[in-house]
Amino acid sequence: EDKVVQSPLSLVVHEGDTVTLNCSYEVTNFRSLLWYKQEKKAPTFLFMLTSSGIEKKSGRLSSILDKKELFSILNITATQTGDSAVYLCAVHPQGGSEKLVFGKGTKLTVNP
Amino acid sequence: DGGITQSPKYLFRKEGQNVTLSCEQNLNHDAMYWYRQDPGQGLRLIYYSQIVNDFQKGDIAEGYSVSREKKESFPLTVTSAQKNPTAFYLCASSNWEGAMNTEAFFGQGTRLTVV
Repeated sequence: EDKVVQSPLSLVVHEGDTVTLNCSYEVTNFRSLLWYKQEKKAPTFLFMLTSSGIEKKSGRLSSILDKKELFSILNITATQTGDSAVYLCAVHPQGGSEKLVFGKGTKLTVNP
Repeated sequence: DGGITQSPKYLFRKEGQNVTLSCEQNLNHDAMYWYRQDPGQGLRLIYYSQIVNDFQKGDIAEGYSVSREKKESFPLTVTSAQKNPTAFYLCASSNWEGAMNTEAFFGQGTRLTVV
């Protein structure tokens, strides 16, 4: 069964801290891994990763994938209170199905 | 603006009643999905559709039904057979570019409360 595990489930930091969120997966025939940020309602897309070792960056956020060890990390540097959200990791298995397999998410709280 | 619209945002229903949640997209995406989100559970797939007039069960399809008569629309019916219908429901869509699925775009969700 395809599985995505995120850790930690919850994290509380102070503004300015750097955080690393983890996502490990077990899927048949991996195709891509995606990170989403969910603040109140709809998750918004952050990154899509398909190749190992290539860092994707967007401002203070960055992410990298390790297809050999089957995990990805999401880094946020110089955190701000606006980074407080649930961060979701999802994996697209291959095999004709288009469904995404989601982890349970990491709830990040950034305190002033 | 292109996007996905879910309606209504909040829905209250009595136990034993069927209820239909609307999802419309104008992104010209082929694939559409319905997820359910419960606290501590992440997103769980209910149904998905890759093309018009075709849909597949996800991981928790029991007690739900869908239709895909038009590319833009993928309504979800929560039937009286669903034992725990109170939840937050998210609709999403995505497309193919070459052999790769693009990222999924999500609607704003519908919070269903059954009393």
